[in-house]
Amino acid sequence: DIQMTQSPSSLSASVGDRVTITCRASQNISTYLNWYQQTPGKVPKLLIYAVSSLQGGVPSRFSGSGSGTDFTLTISRLQPEDFATYYCQQSYGAPLTFGGGTKVEIK
Amino acid sequence: QVLLVQSGAEVKKPGASVKVSCKASGYTFTNYYMHWVRQASGQGLEWMGIINPSGGSTTYAQKFQARVTMTRDTSTNTVYMELSSLRSEDTAIYYCARGPYGSRRWFDPWGQGTLVTVSS
Repeated sequence: DIQMTQSPSSLSASVGDRVTITCRASQNISTYLNWYQQTPGKVPKLLIYAVSSLQGGVPSRFSGSGSGTDFTLTISRLQPEDFATYYCQQSYGAPLTFGGGTKVEIK
Repeated sequence: QVLLVQSGAEVKKPGASVKVSCKASGYTFTNYYMHWVRQASGQGLEWMGIINPSGGSTTYAQKFQARVTMTRDTSTNTVYMELSSLRSEDTAIYYCARGPYGSRRWFDPWGQGTLVTVSS
């Protein structure tokens, strides 16, 4: 199975901060990488697919980059509604696997 | 709009089976895959498998291969996930999530989730 490792597992940040979350795959997954946001008690929501394509309705402050094994999700200016847990997910090989999540908390 | 509505919470005893439904609306049911993903309380996301509603073909994660069955009913635009031989570790929220055809697999949207509790 392809292991997805996210770092950090949690972070504290303030509104307006720039936040970067890293996701590393245990093998080359090309650009088969997606990102999700889950706020407490809510259903996961697709933010970015295929590394850098923003899902419809997702604010432009979210962006993604990377290829191969190393990927990044960036929130340019953190907003109150962005405090959530973020997951990366690979679809290069079965089983599809997720990272362990990064919890973004209010400082 | 695209909507996935799942069946209600279930409480099961160890060793029993559970069958969760997911009714799709707002799009052509047979034009998208459906995935099942679960999440234990306070834990991460775990992919269980995928069904193609068009022909009914399935692929399961090896971890669940022996215990899971995914089916669909095209007359009601509903997919089902049945998990057998339940154990306490299966206590989780189970989500259905739509996925596009093709090699790139992502999940959007998700159903509201069904809490399955396994307890004696």
